[in-house]
Amino acid sequence: GDSVTQMQGQVTLSEDDFLFINCTYSTTWYPTLFWYVQYPGEGPQLLLKVTTANNKGISRGFEATYDKGTTSFHLQKASVQESDSAVYYCVLGEGNMGYKLTFGTGTSLLVDP
Amino acid sequence: EAAVTQSPRNKVTVTGGNVTLSCRQTNSHNYMYWYRQDTGHGLRLIHYSYGAGNLQIGDVPDGYKATRTTQEDFFLLLELASPSQTSLYFCASSSGQGNERLFFGHGTKLSVL
Repeated sequence: GDSVTQMQGQVTLSEDDFLFINCTYSTTWYPTLFWYVQYPGEGPQLLLKVTTANNKGISRGFEATYDKGTTSFHLQKASVQESDSAVYYCVLGEGNMGYKLTFGTGTSLLVDP
Repeated sequence: EAAVTQSPRNKVTVTGGNVTLSCRQTNSHNYMYWYRQDTGHGLRLIHYSYGAGNLQIGDVPDGYKATRTTQEDFFLLLELASPSQTSLYFCASSSGQGNERLFFGHGTKLSVL
């Protein structure tokens, strides 16, 4: 079945640092890849969606792309702020069952002021 | 913004107890989902539904039943709760039209003693 591997469990940065989070995926179908963000006390919410390899998704200063050759996708931001502290999930949408999502284990980002 | 409401927000029960978690969405979405969130596992899909009376099995269904009584209401039932079911439970909804955005509730924290 489909799977997503998110290796970075916790990342600590200072304000204005560069953020890069990477995931790998496995699927037999054409993937749609998402990044969801979860703030304390809330449910996850969609941050970005990428439907085409090597095309960027951009939202709130975050960028995401995926590479079919290496089956990896990543999230980056040039300059993080304290308000970006949250848990970030990479998520794989199944090509022929678009309503079923597979979540990674999450990366907890802490940004020190 | 789509609205998904879960109740209760917190629940404590004993081993062998009977628990029902409720979810209501007012977005006219077809798809509704129950996830559990655990440290080191991210979000895992328990059950989902694409309409009233429909139920589909997710990835971790053992020990859980679910029922979709109306388009708006989706319930998760634990008939013989066990400590391993202590978790944070999220309900979500989506239009389901192929890799569409999930809208999550705020979660229900369940403790089984």
